[in-house]
Amino acid sequence: AQSVTQLGSHVSVSEGALVLLRCNYSSSVPPYLFWYVQYPNQGLQLLLKYTSAATLVKGINGFEAEFKKSETSFHLTKPSAHMSDAAEYFCAVSYRILTGGGNKLTFGTGTQLKVEL
Amino acid sequence: DGGITQSPKYLFRKEGQNVTLSCEQNLNHDAMYWYRQDPGQGLRLIYYSQIVNDFQKGDIAEGYSVSREKKESFPLTVTSAQKNPTAFYLCASSMRVAGEFYEQYFGPGTRLTVT
Repeated sequence: AQSVTQLGSHVSVSEGALVLLRCNYSSSVPPYLFWYVQYPNQGLQLLLKYTSAATLVKGINGFEAEFKKSETSFHLTKPSAHMSDAAEYFCAVSYRILTGGGNKLTFGTGTQLKVEL
Repeated sequence: DGGITQSPKYLFRKEGQNVTLSCEQNLNHDAMYWYRQDPGQGLRLIYYSQIVNDFQKGDIAEGYSVSREKKESFPLTVTSAQKNPTAFYLCASSMRVAGEFYEQYFGPGTRLTVT
């Protein structure tokens, strides 16, 4: 079964510092991987996605993630944090539904990013 | 603008009452999904539908029901059988690309409080 583990439920960085949010996945087949961001009391917004093309994926708001098959990881990074990056971030893996077809997403439990002055 | 709308934003109900949450999309997406979000637990799939007049149970379907009579609409009913209905509910949709559904796009959510 596919699963996602996000290490660290809370991460705190200083403004201008590197942001690193960790995601490890478990999948028996080549995965499709996603990062979403959620601001308080809002829905999820897609940051970036990996669908077996380039292993380094660039997303919105200066975020990027690198797919590393050997480490089963898809960590999210941003070189310089901004106050507006404070939010909750979710990693997700998509897998094919064996019965009935289609795909489903399995989400990690989220990482709350705090950006301090 | 294309997108997903959920209404209302906040919903209050008394215990024992059924309540229906609305989800509408004008993205022409084939698939729609309902998730429940609780603090520290991420998102859990309640129901999903990949085609009109068909839907499947997700991981936590007990106490919920859905319908998919139109492509753009996927309402969720929280019944009195749901033991702990207070939560943030998110609707999502997804487009079929070469037979696969990849990323999902989310609505703004409905926060349901049952007392």
